[in-house]
Parts: sequence; structure tokens; C-alpha cells
Amino acid sequence: AQSVSQHNHHVILSEAASLELGCNYSYGGTVNLFWYVQYPGQHLQLLLKYFSGDPLVKGIKGFEAEFIKSKFSFNLRKPSVQWSDTAEYFCAVMFGNEKLTFGTGTRLTIIP
Amino acid sequence: DSGVTQTPKHLITATGQRVTLRCSPRSGDLSVYWYQQSLDQGLQFLIQYYNGEERAKGNILERFSAQQFPDLHSELNLSSLELGDSALYFCASSPHIGGYEQYFGPGTRLTVT
Repeated sequence: AQSVSQHNHHVILSEAASLELGCNYSYGGTVNLFWYVQYPGQHLQLLLKYFSGDPLVKGIKGFEAEFIKSKFSFNLRKPSVQWSDTAEYFCAVMFGNEKLTFGTGTRLTIIP
Repeated sequence: DSGVTQTPKHLITATGQRVTLRCSPRSGDLSVYWYQQSLDQGLQFLIQYYNGEERAKGNILERFSAQQFPDLHSELNLSSLELGDSALYFCASSPHIGGYEQYFGPGTRLTVT
């Protein structure tokens, strides 16, 4: 079955630390990949997306993600986090032309 | 602000009751999606409408139904409510039928007591 896994449930970092959040999916066909962020009390916002082309995708607020097809992964990265990055991060995958499937989310807490 | 509006923001109701959640998509978006976010189930896709027609169904219970009206706003109807239906219900809209670009509303927090 098609699924999306985010293995880190809660990540705690200090400001200026580097961030990498994992996202893996199970599906051998065409995928479209997304990262969404949900700040406390707010709605989901699209951080970045990958459809095709350069597997290194740059998004808003200094985030980037790399699509590694051989590893079925789409990890989110940021070189230096800020306190304002405290939020929940969701990886989402569109398998073929089907509905968007979300991972369970990773809660990120940044300590000032 | 994504441009997607949802009302009400909060809803508290009793078991067995019926409620209606409303979503207005971004101007020009024809697709509307409904999601349920709960602590134990995470973010689950419920149903999609495109230009008034049901397009895709996810993990939507039979007690739940939705529709999209000619002005493109959508309503999610939840009936015979159970405690386990307590969750955040998000609506998202997209200009595409395939949902490649979804803009989420602020959500309606439903509490069933």
C-alpha cells in the first residue's frame, strides 16, 4: 500500500542548529512531493514542492528538500533554524494522480 | 492568509447531533478538499469536489457527507456525532483538478461532548 513515513515525531534543536527532517514513501511510480508547515494555531502552509526536474528544491523561509528517487525519500533541510521555525511539519505525497497522502508530522521545537 | 475561509472556527456539540462546516475556496479555485486532523489519526483526506462534482473519496465515514454548491463553496455535514469525531477539520482549495497545489483554510475545531 502507498504510504508516507516521517520517523521523527518530535525534534528539539537550539537556534542556529542545522535541521534535517526525514520523509520516506512507498511507491515505485510517479510521485509529486510536498512539505507543509503548520505554525501553532494556524493552518497548513506549503513550504515547497517537487514535481520534476532538479531534485534539490528550494522553498520559502530558507527551507530546501532533496528528492532521492533511489531511496524513496524527500528530506527537508534548513542550515540554521530560528525560534520562529517552531511548528509541525508534514510531508505529503501525491501518488500518480491520486489524492494527497500526508505523513504523521514532525513537531519541531526550537530552543532560543 | 491563504484566501480559504472556514466557518465556524470552533464548534462544541453533543453526541448524536448533526453539524455543518462551511468552506469558501480561494477566488477562482474549482477544487475543494476536506481533511480531518486528529491526534491519533493524523491528517486524513476525506473527500474532494471539483466544480460541483465529487471527484475523490478518502477515509470518509458514511455518517459524513459533503457537497459543493454552484458558487463553489462547500459544506461538510457530520451526523450522529461520536466522541471520536472530535478533531480539526480543514478545507483546502486548488485551481487544479489534480490537487497539485492546495491552499488550506484555518480549520474548524469540532468538540463532541
